[in-house]
Amino acid sequence: DSGVTQTPKHLITATGQRVTLRCSPRSGDLSVYWYQQSLDQGLQFLIQYYNGEERAKGNILERFSAQQFPDLHSELNLSSLELGDSALYFCASSVVLAGADTQYFGPGTRLTVL
Amino acid sequence: AQSVTQLGSHVSVSEGALVLLRCNYSSSVPPYLFWYVQYPNQGLQLLLKYTSAATLVKGINGFEAEFKKSETSFHLTKPSAHMSDAAEYFCAVSDLSGYNKLIFGAGTRLAVHP
Repeated sequence: DSGVTQTPKHLITATGQRVTLRCSPRSGDLSVYWYQQSLDQGLQFLIQYYNGEERAKGNILERFSAQQFPDLHSELNLSSLELGDSALYFCASSVVLAGADTQYFGPGTRLTVL
Repeated sequence: AQSVTQLGSHVSVSEGALVLLRCNYSSSVPPYLFWYVQYPNQGLQLLLKYTSAATLVKGINGFEAEFKKSETSFHLTKPSAHMSDAAEYFCAVSDLSGYNKLIFGAGTRLAVHP
């Protein structure tokens, strides 16, 4: 158990819908990262927050957004869903922003868009 | 830009045999490198990381990796494979932009046969 929790574990929805994925980092970790794992794109970085502020963006679609709340939990919002958004979404956390800092991954949320 | 290449999407070994999973990186400066393992239906777990302290890095479950700057490689090895090692393995490099996002290789699925 990494100490990072993600809910829900599975999510099945229809095209055009909006969903919210939730992540609670390890106690004491200030930095939260979101990654997408799909068969065709592999593991890709989406977005990072540090202590409530967005710090870096990767290949995140405009239909996707995220935020980190004062209690440090984070939510990833996916809207106008398409079939291609079906993937495993991971949240990771680390203490700070140092390059050598270990990122601890949650169990993931498997999103299926029908 | 940094990148990671994992040679061999599938590797199959016999139980008790040497495990060798290959990873080559591209970086203009000394990188931070990581190996993660993903068991079926689980998140990613850190096996080991290289942060320039020592070129031979020992990790969990008997795995180790050697950083070779001249070859830009960070191959993962284990002297004797166990059935429980069957999983997918990801090599990653930490982005040096200062925000610590991970850039992953495509992964190598390890099968262990009795």
